[in-house]
Amino acid sequence: RLQESGPGLVRPSETLSLTCTVSGDSMKTYYWGWIRQPPGKGLEWLGYVYYYGSTHYNPSLKSRVTLSIDTSINQFSLKLKSVTAADTAMYYCARTGIWGGYFYWFDPWGPGTLVTVSS
Amino acid sequence: QSALTQPPSASGSPGQSVTISCTGTPSDVGASNYVSWYQQHPGKAPKLIISEVNKRPSGVPDRFSGSKSGNTASLTVSGLQAEDEADYHCASSAGSNNLLFGGGTTLTVL
Repeated sequence: RLQESGPGLVRPSETLSLTCTVSGDSMKTYYWGWIRQPPGKGLEWLGYVYYYGSTHYNPSLKSRVTLSIDTSINQFSLKLKSVTAADTAMYYCARTGIWGGYFYWFDPWGPGTLVTVSS
Repeated sequence: QSALTQPPSASGSPGQSVTISCTGTPSDVGASNYVSWYQQHPGKAPKLIISEVNKRPSGVPDRFSGSKSGNTASLTVSGLQAEDEADYHCASSAGSNNLLFGGGTTLTVL
């Protein structure tokens, strides 16, 4: 019900842009998040966006990440600027359970898309 | 902010029980009833198997259970089956609009 899309290769110092398309579910009521996983490593939360546009970001990436949402076309997007090789990872989008400002879960997840940062 | 601490690996024989720990601090796991666990098979996306410390979503076998004591949450897999071989990740709320993942644990069924 979620599908990531975007370039698989991004040049260093440029901006990584990905879109997640949601099908079979209303985008209202929930938050929508992005998570990444470098090859062979653990998961890292990037941020999440509410259906009317409010956003929350991982403090360690806040200066480089921008999320947006367009409920009219059932999509939300990620932009990560000034990328380096360390940003090479599988990027996942996921419906995010947030209540009272507290994170509950990510469910379901998209299949993921691999983004490589290289010249 | 540092990731939650999980053992890199765990193992057990079919039919046995295995417990995977997820250790944080009083600011995240210790303060949170919102610990979740995810199962990830090779080449696949993670799947939610436990939410809010010990709640199983519909369709998740009751062989999977969660608990928490102090700053440490735990996932127990009882009656191990071959298909349980996967990576397991914990996550916890870390205050308002913040969260942390663990480093992940690779479970091997011997």
